Amino acid sequence: DIQMTQSPSSLSASVGDRVTITCRASQSISSYLNWYQQKPGKAPKLLIYAASSLQSGVPSRFSGSGSGTDFTLTISSLQPEDFATYYCQQSYSTPPFFGPGTKVDIK
Amino acid sequence: EVQLVESGGGLVQPGGSLRLSCAASGFTFSSYWMSWVRQAPGKGLEWVANIKQDGSEKYYVDSVKGRFTISRDNAKNSLYLQMNSLRAEDTAVYYCARWTMIVVVITTYAFDIWGQGTMVTVSS
Repeated sequence: DIQMTQSPSSLSASVGDRVTITCRASQSISSYLNWYQQKPGKAPKLLIYAASSLQSGVPSRFSGSGSGTDFTLTISSLQPEDFATYYCQQSYSTPPFFGPGTKVDIK
Repeated sequence: EVQLVESGGGLVQPGGSLRLSCAASGFTFSSYWMSWVRQAPGKGLEWVANIKQDGSEKYYVDSVKGRFTISRDNAKNSLYLQMNSLRAEDTAVYYCARWTMIVVVITTYAFDIWGQGTMVTVSS
C-alpha cells in the first residue's frame, strides 16, 4: 500500500499570506495526486486532481504542483474562507489512501 | 442538482450490525464507481470501500475486510454499506462519494461528489 504524509500538520497564517502545504508519497505515484479542502462539520471538497489541474469552480489562487513522490498545494493569497483542513490523496493504486491532513487556521 | 444523501447511521452496540444507504440523484448513477469514506471524530479521512459500476469489482480497506460489504442497486440509484461485527474503532462519520474518472494528460480518478455524511457510533 502507498502511504501518504503531509507537512506541516498545522499552520497559522494571516489573510493575504502565501501558504504552501507539502505531501509525500511512500513510492512514486507519477501525477496521480488529488487535494481536498474540508471545513468543520462539512464534507470534503475536491480542489485539485492530477497534481495540478484545478477542479471546476475552485478559485485560481489554489494551485498544485509536483510529480513522483513530492507534491505541493499553494494558496497564493489566503482568504477568510480558506481556513480549513487540507488533505492529499493518491489515486495511483488501491487503496486510495489520504494524507493525515494539514489544518490552516487564523494567526 | 448532483446530490448524494446518506442515511442509516445511529448508535449500535459492539458486535452489532448496521446498514448504511446513499441515495444518488442528478447524474447517471450506473456510470460511476462509488465509494464509502469515513472520518472518526477529530481524525482524518479514511477510504473504506469502492464498487465498480456493475458491482462486479469491490475493494476494501484491510480493517473492514470480512466485516463490511459494499453493494449497489442501479435501478434504485442507491449505494449501500452493510456493517457487521462493529467495533468501537468503527465510530465515525461515513461519507458516500463518487469516484470519478477524469481524463487530462493522464486518466485518473478523484472523489468529486460527496454526501453530507451519516454518523455511526459503536458503544455499549
